[in-house]
Amino acid sequence: IAGITQAPTSQILAAGRRMTLRCTQDMRHNAMYWYRQDLGLGLRLIHYSNTAGTTGKGEVPDGYSVSRANTDDFPLTLASAVPSQTSVYFCASSPDSAGANVLTFGAGSRLTVL
Amino acid sequence: RKEVEQDPGPFNVPEGATVAFNCTYSNSASQSFFWYRQDCRKEPKLLMSVYSSGNEDGRFTAQLNRASQYISLLIRDSKLSDSATYLCVVNLNTGNQFYFGTGTSLTVIP
Repeated sequence: IAGITQAPTSQILAAGRRMTLRCTQDMRHNAMYWYRQDLGLGLRLIHYSNTAGTTGKGEVPDGYSVSRANTDDFPLTLASAVPSQTSVYFCASSPDSAGANVLTFGAGSRLTVL
Repeated sequence: RKEVEQDPGPFNVPEGATVAFNCTYSNSASQSFFWYRQDCRKEPKLLMSVYSSGNEDGRFTAQLNRASQYISLLIRDSKLSDSATYLCVVNLNTGNQFYFGTGTSLTVIP
């Protein structure tokens, strides 16, 4: 099924642990994004990638890192998780970085940091 | 000031009612506008793009008012299945700058 796959679906994590959220798309989209969604704050951009090999910082990048080794994969890593990173994380993609493009989202990863 | 502001609701309407949501944006350079729908504990999905001339898709009508910097979504003949959160999204067309509203919650009541 064409689209975006995220893993894990949910995870409970102890503070201080390292965690990688995986995101894979099979639509050959150039641009990919990571958002977090918190109650009352809406979706906020963490990091993005316009094309394989490039990444950029979004609105709330601190504590997160990404890599884009190829077109399909865009993992998000929390080097040392903190409770404030408890959130729902959505990976998204678009054909390219033009603003008129529509975003396609993955099903989300619900992360709880204790 | 937030880039995009929406009334969070909740809007509780009976089946068959007409309901309208507004969304305001702060950056006059915004170029692309969208409404997304998000069901509880699911990912956002595109409902419709919003064009300058306004556009309609079945029971849904979206309008853009650049002078006042707001977009609207009108839902006619509400169905139970319309119950969801509706997200207003704005983009500057400079790449990657999608700004999301916090969403408006709609519940359609039998």
